[in-house]
Amino acid sequence: EAGVTQFPSHSVIEKGQTVTLRCDPISGHDNLYWYRRVMGKEIKFLLHFVKESKQDESGMPNNRFLAERTGGTYSTLKVQPAELEDSGVYFCASSPFGGGSTDTQYFGPGTRLTVL
Amino acid sequence: AQKVTQAQTEISVVEKEDVTLDCVYETRDTTYYLFWYKQPPSGELVFLIRRNSFDEQNEISGRYSWNFQKSTSSFNFTITASQVVDSAVYFCALRVGDTGRRALTFGSGTRLQVQP
Repeated sequence: EAGVTQFPSHSVIEKGQTVTLRCDPISGHDNLYWYRRVMGKEIKFLLHFVKESKQDESGMPNNRFLAERTGGTYSTLKVQPAELEDSGVYFCASSPFGGGSTDTQYFGPGTRLTVL
Repeated sequence: AQKVTQAQTEISVVEKEDVTLDCVYETRDTTYYLFWYKQPPSGELVFLIRRNSFDEQNEISGRYSWNFQKSTSSFNFTITASQVVDSAVYFCALRVGDTGRRALTFGSGTRLQVQP
């Protein structure tokens, strides 16, 4: 079974440009999460989808970030316009339907974003 | 609010030594889940273990063992007879409750270097 995949693995853009990150969850997982780790900081939660619906977007830093999950399959995270402080590693995770003890989040390899 | 503290930023040991990674958590919830993830040099976060707040049994998996103590709010991770392949960054994480909110709160990670 394929794990969580993310594309691209690295992205280098200039300040003010737009970048779109993609995440493909484990097949059949209804829950999809985005996290990020900026340099020297902890991994921080951004948002949580249940199928195509945003269940929790309390961690989204500002309105320059837009996440979508059309059709409840893969998800995209767009940053527009990118700022220097957006540099970091963006992780995606997924977990199967259900809560409690069944909710273990499996992470992808991350996308390293560098804003120059 | 929840908090996870991994006071050890970096640990260096020689192969075959035992090493313990500390994790202290804070939460007011009575139901919560604790996790350990490993981040090898390749970058992905690899799930190691999940413990529920109502199950304080320690767990052993091969060379890995976990000591969960609610009295001290700690969930420490011990690697016995460490190997070079254990070199990685290890993250402890916390999720509270059994509700729709599933965000993980991460510690800052402990970098383990195992020297041959």
